[in-house]
Amino acid sequence: QSVLTQPPSVSAAPGQKVTISCSGSSSNIGNNYVSWYQQLPGTAPKVFMYENDKRPSGIPDRFSGSKSGTSATLGITGLQTGDEADYYCGTWDNNLNAVVFGGGTKLTVL
Amino acid sequence: QVQLQESGPGLVKPSQTLSLSCTISGDSISSGSYYWGWIRQPAGGGLEWIGRIHTSWATNYNPSLKSRVMISLDTSENRFSLRLTSVTAADTAVYYCARGIVEGGTKLSYYFDYWGQGSLVTVSS
Repeated sequence: QSVLTQPPSVSAAPGQKVTISCSGSSSNIGNNYVSWYQQLPGTAPKVFMYENDKRPSGIPDRFSGSKSGTSATLGITGLQTGDEADYYCGTWDNNLNAVVFGGGTKLTVL
Repeated sequence: QVQLQESGPGLVKPSQTLSLSCTISGDSISSGSYYWGWIRQPAGGGLEWIGRIHTSWATNYNPSLKSRVMISLDTSENRFSLRLTSVTAADTAVYYCARGIVEGGTKLSYYFDYWGQGSLVTVSS
C-alpha cells in the first residue's frame, strides 16, 4: 500500500485533457514539494515536474502541475498517443524521513 | 551529460545478500551536494524508495528495509553501492539508481533528475 494515493488508471481521447491526482497527508504533500515522473514501458522513470509546478527543460508546456493542501495534480492537455505511460507522484515524508511515491496511474490515450 | 549505470548479479539465492553498484559518468560523485539513491520496482508494481547517501556520507533508509540495507560510496571508482541482506522472493524487482536533488528549508523539494536504466534482480534458488 503506497503512502500517496493515485487513481490506478485514467483515459481520454487524443487532443483532450486529463488530470491525475495524488493524495497524501500533512507529513508529506502538505508540507513539501511534489514531483511527477513519466515511465514508458520498459524504461526508467523520467522527471516531468518538480517543486509542484516546474517543468524540466524539454518537457512541453502541455504538462502542468499544481498543489493544494495535501493533494497534487498533474494536468496534460492536447493528449497524444506518445503520452501513454505510467505516471508517479513523489515527495518527502517528514514522519518517515523517506521519499514516498504514489502507486502510479496508467494513462491510456484512446 | 550525466549517466548512471547499475551492475551486479541478476540472480540471488534466498537468504543471501543482494549487491549492486551504480557507476556515474559525466559527473563526480563527490561534487555538488547530491543525494545518490536506490529505488526498486517489482514487476507490474510501483516505485519503492530504498535509501540514499549524501556526498557527506550521511545515509537515510526506508524504515521498512532499514534493518537489511546499507548504501556506501566509492569515490575512487566514482560509484555507489547497495547491499540488501537476507533477501526473499519479495525482493525480486528492477533496481534503479538515481541522483536526487534536495532543496529547501522548512519545505523540501526532492526529486530525481538522472536515473540508471535499471537492473533486474531475481531472488530464487
